[in-house]
Amino acid sequence: ILNVEQSPQSLHVQEGDSTNFTCSFPSSNFYALHWYRWETAKSPEALFVMTLNGDEKKKGRISATLNTKEGYSYLYIKGSQPEDSATYLCAFETGANNLFFGTGTRLTVIP
Amino acid sequence: KAGVTQTPRYLIKTRGQQVTLSCSPISGHRSVSWYQQTPGQGLQFLFEYFSETQRNKGNFPGRFSGRQFSNSRSEMNVSTLELGDSALYLCASHRDGTDTQYFGPGTRLTVL
Repeated sequence: ILNVEQSPQSLHVQEGDSTNFTCSFPSSNFYALHWYRWETAKSPEALFVMTLNGDEKKKGRISATLNTKEGYSYLYIKGSQPEDSATYLCAFETGANNLFFGTGTRLTVIP
Repeated sequence: KAGVTQTPRYLIKTRGQQVTLSCSPISGHRSVSWYQQTPGQGLQFLFEYFSETQRNKGNFPGRFSGRQFSNSRSEMNVSTLELGDSALYLCASHRDGTDTQYFGPGTRLTVL
């Protein structure tokens, strides 16, 4: 069983604040790192898939970086909005479409 | 384009019973994966099917099984239900050769 850790477990930020979370994963057998956003009562929504060390991806106010050598990825949200409130999941993939998920970071943006 | 659908959305069973959950992937996606989420746990991978064949399997007991049909729809079966099987079961589909998996809304199973 591969250990994927996310921190913090939860956080509350004020609207307009920028924030970031961490995903730590094994540095061996790396194939890809996935980020998902999971809003309550909805399906997890894919944000990014990153495969190369040093990858940086951006989607609107959300961006992510990847360091496969040290086994971590950061997700950044700039100028948080209430609609950003969700659980953010990362998943480590060794190939063969087998994803190992962290337990997520639950973000609450306070208006 | 319709998303991944799962039926039923909610299910209540008693210990010892068996249950079958269904997942219809996005049109054109031939790969379907199943995941279990229990309180405090991350999503745990159950198995993946591609072209009616189980291609990958997670670390779950044999009570958990699945199959895939020629139209790529997949079913997951859990026999001899235990209280600990109460969970949210998610399926995800993806087009072979791509990395992104698209999730359905899940089936919430409660075992009493």
